[in-house]
Amino acid sequence: DSGVTQTPKHLITATGQRVTLRCSPRSGDLSVYWYQQSLDQGLQFLIQYYNGEERAKGNILERFSAQQFPDLHSELNLSSLELGDSALYFCASSGGTSGEQFFGPGTRLTVL
Amino acid sequence: QKEVEQDPGPLSVPEGAIVSLNCTYSNSAFQYFMWYRQYSRKGPELLMYTYSSGNKEDGRFTAQVDKSSKYISLFIRDSQPSDSATYLCASGDSNYQLIWGAGTKLIIKP
Repeated sequence: DSGVTQTPKHLITATGQRVTLRCSPRSGDLSVYWYQQSLDQGLQFLIQYYNGEERAKGNILERFSAQQFPDLHSELNLSSLELGDSALYFCASSGGTSGEQFFGPGTRLTVL
Repeated sequence: QKEVEQDPGPLSVPEGAIVSLNCTYSNSAFQYFMWYRQYSRKGPELLMYTYSSGNKEDGRFTAQVDKSSKYISLFIRDSQPSDSATYLCASGDSNYQLIWGAGTKLIIKP
C-alpha cells in the first residue's frame, strides 16, 4: 500500500458527460501528479500540483482540468467525455527532494 | 527521439533465469533514475531508486546507471513467475519531473 488513495475505483459514463476523479496523497507529500494510461500504453503525464499551485503541465487536453485543495487532496475534472478518454487515471504523490513518486491504485474510466 | 527509450518487449524468459531490462536516455541533466513494476491494470510500484551513477542492490534486484553512456539497467536474479509484469524506467532532473520509458512487458515462464 503506497498510502495514496484514489476514488472511485471504477467509473462508467456516457459520451459528453463530466466526471471528477479524486486523489489523496501520502501524508506529508506536497506534490500531486496525474497520469493517463490507455490500454497497453505507457504513462502519459497530465499535470502536477505542488502545495496548491500548478507546477507543470503535460499532455493535458483543454477539456481536462485539475486542482489541489488546501488539505492537499486533488481532483481531476474531465468534461465533454469522448470514447477515447476511456483509460486508467493514476495519481501519484511526492514529498521529498529525491523525486520518487508513489502511485495510487488508479481510477478506471469507461466512456460508452 | 524520445528522452527515455525502452524496448516494449515482450521479453519471455524461463523461471530461474537472470533478466536484464534496459533503458537509454538523452538528457545529460537527468540526475536520478527509477524502476517501477506495474502489474496488469494496477498502480506502478517503485522498485529501485538510484541517484547519479552506480549500482544499487535490493534482494534479487540490481539497478545500474552508467551516465557516461546514458544507459540504465535493472537485473532480476532467480526470476519467478510472480515477476511477470511491466517494468517502467523513469529519469528526472532537479525540477523533479520524471520522464518515463514506454515500459517492457516481462513474462517468466514456469
